Amino acid sequence: DQQVKQNSPSLSVQEGRISILNCDYTNSMFDYFLWYKKYPAEGPTFLISISSIKDKNEDGRFTVFLNKSAKHLSLHIVPSQPGDSAVYFCAASAGLAGANNLFFGTGTRLTVIP
Amino acid sequence: NAGVMQNPRHLVRRRGQEARLRCSPMKGHSHVYWYRQLPEEGLKFMVYLQKENIIDESGMPKERFSAEFPKEGPSILRIQQVVRGDSAAYFCASSPTGTPSYNEQFFGPGTRLTVL
Repeated sequence: DQQVKQNSPSLSVQEGRISILNCDYTNSMFDYFLWYKKYPAEGPTFLISISSIKDKNEDGRFTVFLNKSAKHLSLHIVPSQPGDSAVYFCAASAGLAGANNLFFGTGTRLTVIP
Repeated sequence: NAGVMQNPRHLVRRRGQEARLRCSPMKGHSHVYWYRQLPEEGLKFMVYLQKENIIDESGMPKERFSAEFPKEGPSILRIQQVVRGDSAAYFCASSPTGTPSYNEQFFGPGTRLTVL
């Protein structure tokens, strides 16, 4: 049962343009969401997070938007750079429900074309 | 400040052998998590431990898999009598004290297990 879904396995974007990565979830108990970036042969690296009490969080070129009613979040990267090419994982947590673990999506491979 | 360390990075075992994967959390972190990533899939939670305690093992297969986090030394994920389906990347993560679910988890580089 995949509670966090990333329906686009891959995305290609021209350098300098905006990259939008999408994520949907099914569990209404999720109250904390994170994005991780992963390079080949490395572990995931934390990128940005958002609590369910917010609908937007921004950190430099990265912005995460949360739409609770649609159970949808997105990561915007602008401007995209070739070094952003990696697999991006969306993750969610149900902390208030006492959950200890993160639920991950299957990832979206972003390729930024120079 | 060293990050999460995992070793070995690559481990090859024949069917029926045992696999031991080690994880040293970041300095100051007392929460350890193990995740497994099968090919073309996302990471799947296995177990959450604090020092000398298993807090949540709801993601662990019922047989052959065990985990520990002793008072001294790294956390160990042990897989007995490995089968081909155990071939995967195993990631360890750690988080600081406090409320683990609201802290980002810091991941190690993973151990890639191949079962022949």
